[in-house]
Amino acid sequence: QKEVEQNSGPLSVPEGAIASLNCTYSDRGSQSFFWYRQYSGKSPELIMSIYSNGDKEDGRFTAQLNKASQYVSLLIRDSQPSDSATYLCAVNLGNNDMRFGAGTRLTVKP
Amino acid sequence: SAVISQKPSRDICQRGTSLTIQCQVDSQVTMMFWYRQQPGQSLTLIATANQGSEATYESGFVIDKFPISRPNLTFSTLTVSNMSPEDSSIYLCSVQRGTDTQYFGPGTRLTVL
Repeated sequence: QKEVEQNSGPLSVPEGAIASLNCTYSDRGSQSFFWYRQYSGKSPELIMSIYSNGDKEDGRFTAQLNKASQYVSLLIRDSQPSDSATYLCAVNLGNNDMRFGAGTRLTVKP
Repeated sequence: SAVISQKPSRDICQRGTSLTIQCQVDSQVTMMFWYRQQPGQSLTLIATANQGSEATYESGFVIDKFPISRPNLTFSTLTVSNMSPEDSSIYLCSVQRGTDTQYFGPGTRLTVL
């Protein structure tokens, strides 16, 4: 079982819709969780971090964490074509050991 | 966050040669990391580089192939030695801010012929 799993997509949503990206992880002891956005040909850019169960909102982005079910998700409201990218879920297993999912490719169609 | 630069941004190299990639940060950091991202794949950690100590390598990566230097708290280098086409990849350095948040440099795109 992979440590961090994401649906590779592609996920396609129309402009203005909500994009929902999901991630599950295997290590119950994981304490911190991150979402990165990676445009084609660019390096990953941190969008959000989340540490506690529940929702964390930042502008159009909401991260959701459920440690009991071992999943973390990212919602993008009012999706824009500029949101088209690959979104990487990352989980810190502790001891500076960060594991990345394979990424979900999102396309927002005008 | 952090301002991170990498040199070179890209290179095309011949089989059997070596390439050294530089990573420079705008302020002092304790933890620096080197990752590889092969086409269409996610990030794979090569090693963790702490100033004043030997780099710690992940399974499947060895010092002879990927020697790392960390001479101070703002700089690190990764060398890809005796390259083969399988080493063609994007190489990324990252730095840790706070207890666990990593920020990435722009990457070095390596093609080995």
